[in-house]
Amino acid sequence: EAGVTQFPSHSVIEKGQTVTLRCDPISGHDNLYWYRRVMGKEIKFLLHFVKESKQDESGMPNNRFLAERTGGTYSTLKVQPAELEDSGVYFCASSPWTSGRPLAKNIQYFGAGTRLSVL
Amino acid sequence: DQQVKQNSPSLSVQEGRISILNCDYTNSMFDYFLWYKKYPAEGPTFLISISSIKDKNEDGRFTVFLNKSAKHLSLHIVPSQPGDSAVYFCAASKGWASGTYKYIFGTGTRLKVLA
Repeated sequence: EAGVTQFPSHSVIEKGQTVTLRCDPISGHDNLYWYRRVMGKEIKFLLHFVKESKQDESGMPNNRFLAERTGGTYSTLKVQPAELEDSGVYFCASSPWTSGRPLAKNIQYFGAGTRLSVL
Repeated sequence: DQQVKQNSPSLSVQEGRISILNCDYTNSMFDYFLWYKKYPAEGPTFLISISSIKDKNEDGRFTVFLNKSAKHLSLHIVPSQPGDSAVYFCAASKGWASGTYKYIFGTGTRLKVLA
């Protein structure tokens, strides 16, 4: 079974340009998450999709970031225009739906990430 | 405001000995805790987890201990092997009561197992 795939693996752009990251979750996983790790710090939550709906986007830094998940399958994260502080590794993760059971085990499976360098 | 803290950025252990990685949290609403392992240029890989109603969970060489009163959890690896050398992240979740299963991660601890 294919894992979570992300591309590109690395993107180098100049400040002010636009970049689109893509994530293909594990087939059948309704939950899709985006995270970001900046400068070797903690991995920070950005947002959570359940199928095509945004369940929680409290971690999105600002309105330069736009995430979509068309048809509840793959997701894209667009940064427009990119700033220097957007550099980092962007991880996507997916997990199956667990019906909101209390204390339900919800293991997220991560992709290898996209390393974004804004110059 | 760092809700999950891993105060040791690095740890070196001799092969065959025990590795103990520590994690502290501040939010008593967390009800599920996980450890992930990360190799360079790869994504985090799930290692072991524990729910807040337990104080210990074991899986082979890996054991996670949870002390809710101290808001502290630890990962024990026995015996440590060179292949265990990686960055270990502690993560916590508030569960569905918060409307999302998002993880809050610590900053990671780099474990080096010396042969």
